[in-house]
Amino acid sequence: GQNIDQPTEMTATEGAIVQINCTYQTSGFNGLFWYQQHAGEAPTFLSYNVLDGLEEKGRFSSFLSRSKGYSYLLLKELQMKDSASYLCAVRVDGNDYKLSFGAGTTVTVRA
Amino acid sequence: DTEVTQTPKHLVMGMTNKKSLKCEQHMGHRAMYWYKQKAKKPPELMFVYSYEKLSINESVPSRFSPECPNSSLLNLHLHALQPEDSALYLCASSQRQEMNTEAFFGQGTRLTVV
Repeated sequence: GQNIDQPTEMTATEGAIVQINCTYQTSGFNGLFWYQQHAGEAPTFLSYNVLDGLEEKGRFSSFLSRSKGYSYLLLKELQMKDSASYLCAVRVDGNDYKLSFGAGTTVTVRA
Repeated sequence: DTEVTQTPKHLVMGMTNKKSLKCEQHMGHRAMYWYKQKAKKPPELMFVYSYEKLSINESVPSRFSPECPNSSLLNLHLHALQPEDSALYLCASSQRQEMNTEAFFGQGTRLTVV
């Protein structure tokens, strides 16, 4: 299996920046995804990294270091609607291509 | 159309009932998934269908029976469930299982077993 670790909770102020870290231990790494999930709703795709480096998409950026087994999701100019759970998910290579999720980080944005 | 549609949104069933969850997508995706999610936990993979064939069964109890009638539809048949099976059941699809493409999730069916 894969060990995927991310902090349980984070709190930040509206307009601020928050960085959510994710570390993983896996063999056959074949991509890392970040999903956002509001309470009671389906996860929605935010970003995908398979090569080292930073992917920027509007207010959200995601970084990957394959050698360190480390990724982060950076949320800039936080808005109240960004309060949600953020799930780090790792896909592995091999006979099956399973997407395994971390436990999720609940981000609370305060006014 | 980038939607995965799941029905029903909510389902309450007794332990002796038989019910089915339905999932539909029209994005031409050839991989479809069932996940189970308990409150404040990450989604856990149950089944994967690739090109309408079951490719992954994560040791799911036989009281859950998946079916893929065609490339757009995925069902999950439920029979003799237990109260601990109460959860949010999420369907997802992706372009192909082996491709590094995002999975699109449906809104889920919130199942309560009484």
